[in-house]
Amino acid sequence: EDQVTQSPEALRLQEGESSSLNCSYTVSGLRGLFWYRQDPGKGPEFLFTLYSAGEEKEKERLKATLTKKESFLHITAPKPEDSATYLCAVPSGGGADGLTFGKGTHLIIQP
Amino acid sequence: KAGVTQTPRYLIKTRGQQVTLSCSPISGHRSVSWYQQTPGQGLQFLFEYFSETQRNKGNFPGRFSGRQFSNSRSEMNVSTLELGDSALYLCASSLGQTGDTQYFGPGTRLTVL
Repeated sequence: EDQVTQSPEALRLQEGESSSLNCSYTVSGLRGLFWYRQDPGKGPEFLFTLYSAGEEKEKERLKATLTKKESFLHITAPKPEDSATYLCAVPSGGGADGLTFGKGTHLIIQP
Repeated sequence: KAGVTQTPRYLIKTRGQQVTLSCSPISGHRSVSWYQQTPGQGLQFLFEYFSETQRNKGNFPGRFSGRQFSNSRSEMNVSTLELGDSALYLCASSLGQTGDTQYFGPGTRLTVL
């Protein structure tokens, strides 16, 4: 069974304090790993898609990396507006299945 | 390009009633997926429609159903509502090929009393 595990569940950082979020996955035949950001009461906002081990993508203060077993979302010098829940997901099963999501990391950046 | 839209944004129903939620995908996207999000279970896949056909289904009871129209708009129906159906229902659209990015709408918050 496909599994996605995110850690830590919650993370509180000071503004400017860099850190990394982890997403471990178990899936037969990775067909992409997706990172989303979700603000309370809103739908997930797409951040990155990674397809192969070694791939990296960057957007502003965020950088996502992928290995054969896990992905990291690195946050450099975060600001309070980066506070959100960060979700990772993988397509499950064969064919165009739905996404299997991790439970997310709730990130709080204190000014 | 307009994003995914969902209507209504909020709904309050009572147990035993049924409800229909609507989703309009991004223009050009042929796949619409539905998800249920609750604090305890997180985001869970309900089903996916592509070219008016249900292509995949998650592990939910038959009370949850959907359909897709020729313009790719989709509706989701929940019959005989239970208290545990209270959740944020999200739809996402994509081009429909394996590994394509799914873009989410704002969700419909359903409360069952």
